Amino acid sequence: EPEVTQTPSHQVTQMGQEVILRCVPISNHLYFYWYRQILGQKVEFLVSFYNNEISEKSEIFDDQFSVERPDGSNFTLKIRSTKLEDSAMYFCASSPDRMNTEAFFGQGTRLTVV
Amino acid sequence: AQSVTQPDIHITVSEGASLELRCNYSYGATPYLFWYVQSPGQGLQLLLKYFSGDTLVQGIKGFEAEFKRSQSSFNLRKPSVHWSDAAEYFCAVAPFQGAQKLVFGQGTRLTINP
Repeated sequence: EPEVTQTPSHQVTQMGQEVILRCVPISNHLYFYWYRQILGQKVEFLVSFYNNEISEKSEIFDDQFSVERPDGSNFTLKIRSTKLEDSAMYFCASSPDRMNTEAFFGQGTRLTVV
Repeated sequence: AQSVTQPDIHITVSEGASLELRCNYSYGATPYLFWYVQSPGQGLQLLLKYFSGDTLVQGIKGFEAEFKRSQSSFNLRKPSVHWSDAAEYFCAVAPFQGAQKLVFGQGTRLTINP
């Protein structure tokens, strides 16, 4: 069964460093998403991506964040200069069309900023 | 404000007992409703979804959920839980058709007593 794959499963980085979280969405899906879950809090939407551009982003997704689909298969989330409060589980998701149908989630990347 | 509420942070039930996890939403129209499950170390897996039609929907792993418009609820049920059902359960809402994002509740952690 097709699945969304995220790497790494856990990343530790120093405050101020750049990190790139990687995702391989399901191959025939058109919409891609990043969500995050700070420990003990809700899963929060960060950004949606379609046709090689951001289609919607939340207020959390500020200039420190960027997304890219560099090669037609990978979908990345870059955090330019990490802060302690960026520590969270980051989930990638993809769907074949808009979010009124099933979104398939990856297993998440736990980011720890020290 | 638009929101999704799961009133129970943590529920413990005995194996073989019935289960009901509550979810309430506050949106003007009938949103698209989802239940996801997250087992330890795993991603978010869709259990079931409601878009329209029959208000009782069947999902995977023996779960079902009932949409009640009058109560703005979408509660998840299972007649007899198994130890493998221990996980975190998330209710989620796509606020309207074509919405680019899901809004999640804070999750309910389910513990199963042997």
